[in-house]
Amino acid sequence: DTGVSQDPRHKITKRGQNVTFRCDPISEHNRLYWYRQTLGQGPEFLTYFQNEAQLEKSRLLSDRFSAERPKGSFSTLEIQRTEQGDSAMYLCASSLGDRGSYNEQFFGPGTRLTVL
Amino acid sequence: RKEVEQDPGPFNVPEGATVAFNCTYSNSASQSFFWYRQDCRKEPKLLMSVYSSGNEDGRFTAQLNRASQYISLLIRDSKLSDSATYLCVVTTGSARQLTFGSGTQLTVLP
Repeated sequence: DTGVSQDPRHKITKRGQNVTFRCDPISEHNRLYWYRQTLGQGPEFLTYFQNEAQLEKSRLLSDRFSAERPKGSFSTLEIQRTEQGDSAMYLCASSLGDRGSYNEQFFGPGTRLTVL
Repeated sequence: RKEVEQDPGPFNVPEGATVAFNCTYSNSASQSFFWYRQDCRKEPKLLMSVYSSGNEDGRFTAQLNRASQYISLLIRDSKLSDSATYLCVVTTGSARQLTFGSGTQLTVLP
């Protein structure tokens, strides 16, 4: 399967714990996005990487959230001191293109986080 | 006010019916426009892009009106397999991040 993959698919944690998610984009894609989706809502943009550079961050991305893409390939999203409000589906998407242009974003299957 | 607003739904229609979804967006600087489809507990997938000239893909027709900031999707001869949530999406910003509406749930009944 050469699509976007995410790991884990499901994560249950207790409030206050730290969690880390991984996203492996389509191999030649230089752009990587993280979105969050809560029940009954559409996905909301969190952050964007062009290669290894994090170029955009939503105001939704509080200081408890950090994302990295160290070698311009896979990315990690860490949430520190999780809160019940962090419970959501975390979606990763990748695309190919230069800054300022649009190409289709392909989504991974998501990581469903439940904070107890 | 949300940046992308959609019909609240849900829509329950019989097989073979024609159903229309509407959407408005507030950011006049939005650059690209799409309809995505999301099946239950799955990731969103691109259904079609939307252009001012209107575009058609089989039973699906999409239309964009930039002046009124309005996007529509028409599904003709609906099938059971069309049952899903339909998300209206625009791109904004230099990152071309996607801004989604809340989605409209469609159920096609036998």
